[in-house]
Order: sequence, then C-alpha cells, then structure tokens
Amino acid sequence: DTAVSQTPKYLVTQMGNDKSIKCEQNLGHDTMYWYKQDSKKFLKIMFSYNNKELIINETVPNRFSPKSPDKAHLNLHINSLELGDSAVYFCASSPNQQLQAFFGQGTRLTVV
Amino acid sequence: AQSVTQLGSHVSVSEGALVLLRCNYSSSVPPYLFWYVQYPNQGLQLLLKYTTGATLVKGINGFEAEFKKSETSFHLTKPSAHMSDAAEYFCAVSDRLRNQFYFGTGTSLTVIP
Repeated sequence: DTAVSQTPKYLVTQMGNDKSIKCEQNLGHDTMYWYKQDSKKFLKIMFSYNNKELIINETVPNRFSPKSPDKAHLNLHINSLELGDSAVYFCASSPNQQLQAFFGQGTRLTVV
Repeated sequence: AQSVTQLGSHVSVSEGALVLLRCNYSSSVPPYLFWYVQYPNQGLQLLLKYTTGATLVKGINGFEAEFKKSETSFHLTKPSAHMSDAAEYFCAVSDRLRNQFYFGTGTSLTVIP
C-alpha cells in the first residue's frame, strides 16, 4: 500500500492553463504539506495543513491554491500556469508538524 | 530562525571509501534533525533522525549521523560507499516553534567504481 500517493506523476501543459495535482495519504497523519523542488533540487515549502486547517502559506503566487477536503487529502490547484512553474511538486504528510515527513513520489510539471 | 547549511553540493567518493556529507544548522531551540535521501525520479526517503537521547543515530543502509551541539552539526557518514548510494541527500531541521521543516540545499553523491 502506498503511504502518500500523488497523481499525476507527470504533467505537461501549456502556459495559461489551469491544472490540479491530487494527494492522498493513508497513514492517518494530521499534517500534510506541499513542497516545490526546482531544477537545482532545492526544496521549498509551499503550504502546510493540519487537520484540514491551513498552517503555513509561504510566499507563493495566489495562482496556487491548496484544498483539503478531509484530513487524508491535500490537493494543489494552479491557475494560469507560467513557464516558471515547471518543477517537481511533492506532497508529504507527518504525524505532527515536528516529526519526520513522509513524501510522495512527486509530480513533474512541465509548462510549455 | 532555523536554517540548514549543507557544505558541498557535489561529493564524489570511490566505491568502498568513507562517505561524509556535512550539515550544519542554526536553531533557537533544541532541534529535531533529519537526513533524507532522494534517488533519481523518486520522492524523499527518511534515512535517519535525531530527536532526543543518544547523539549517534543509526539509520538505514548503513548510514549514521552524530548530533554535535557544540558544533551545531549533524554530519552523515557511511564507512564504505556502494554504487547504490549514488543519490541526492538532504539534511533537514524541524522548527519546533513554527512547526515546519527546513531543508538544506542538498548534496549530490556520486560513487566511482
């Protein structure tokens, strides 16, 4: 059983489109995250949710909107995609905000 | 504020040689520290962690790290490198005040046959 699963794994889309990435965890964790990894492998946190409540909202464009319908899901919706949005996006979850995070396999987004 | 510094974005070692990946942190409170590994086209996998207790922590795949408070370091070591250890390694610190993780910029390990 996959602990943290993201779909799709690859996403190629044109500039200006709107797309969503889905994330689900079956670990019973309270906290979920979205990270962006750029071409230099640098990991930057975007959002953190705890029990469906937004905890962290780092400086990301408001074109990015997370949605947590329940504790096990944290989806990422991106409006008006730009070339600079191309990256690998990782979903993660943890039992609380201090213990280690478990990561999904990532979604490689390519904007053309 | 918390931060993590990984010295050396690229490290190359010969197969069978010692692996040493450096990590220094800054933290205003006693930190929780982690090392993650990322194999190509995969997510991050926890190698080991330090929270409290013994300062020498053993992880998976023969890796270990030692928390040295006086040096604010948490270096990752492995006595003998295998080809399968080639990957990207990330050090992370948990900010227990803001409740989030800070990752270092990563170190790419190459193992030369």
